[in-house]
Amino acid sequence: GESVGLHLPTLSVQEGDNSIINCAYSNSASDYFIWYKQESGKGPQFIIDIRSNMDKRQGQRVTVLLNKTVKHLSLQIAATQPGDSAVYFCAEPAGGFKTIFGAGTRLFVKA
Amino acid sequence: DVKVTQSSRYLVKRTGEKVFLECVQDMDHENMFWYRQDPGLGLRLIYFSYDVKMKEKGDIPEGYSVSREKKERFSLILESASTNQTSMYLCASSSGLAQFFGPGTRLTVL
Repeated sequence: GESVGLHLPTLSVQEGDNSIINCAYSNSASDYFIWYKQESGKGPQFIIDIRSNMDKRQGQRVTVLLNKTVKHLSLQIAATQPGDSAVYFCAEPAGGFKTIFGAGTRLFVKA
Repeated sequence: DVKVTQSSRYLVKRTGEKVFLECVQDMDHENMFWYRQDPGLGLRLIYFSYDVKMKEKGDIPEGYSVSREKKERFSLILESASTNQTSMYLCASSSGLAQFFGPGTRLTVL
């Protein structure tokens, strides 16, 4: 899983460019993953999910890619906009009712 | 759209006070959760509930209790607030694997 530290990994992109945010997971049996977006001072917002029987899923301007071989998933945001500035984190159900949340990546969009 | 609401966005309380945080969801979800979120520590599960009057401890239940008398409402109670409970508190609900979060309550305990 993602490491936890005082400072989140950050990604800075130019407005209009594509963003790629990465997440590693440790449980090879995981079969469902979710990406959340959390803007400053707000609760996490569901963006997109993917099941392990898929390797790609597309939403509106977002694509999630899943590579089960290396236990890695990524969130791609096309034509990044200032409103995309937020912390993004992946999550996976951990059994029972629990969910493991990654520490997150902070995305900065430069105008 | 799923709507999860929390009773307060910001709350300031004094040490030793009893604090109630309320959460309401309007999607008839069976499961509800309380997390706290602190810099560098991510989201940590305090308690969850999978049915009315049912509750389970999460990873950090000490100093907290919960109440679920109705399906749509899940309350978090700090029996005697302490300064180390200053945090962002997030409520979530789910019927499946994906959880849907409320806007959060930023609690400061002085």
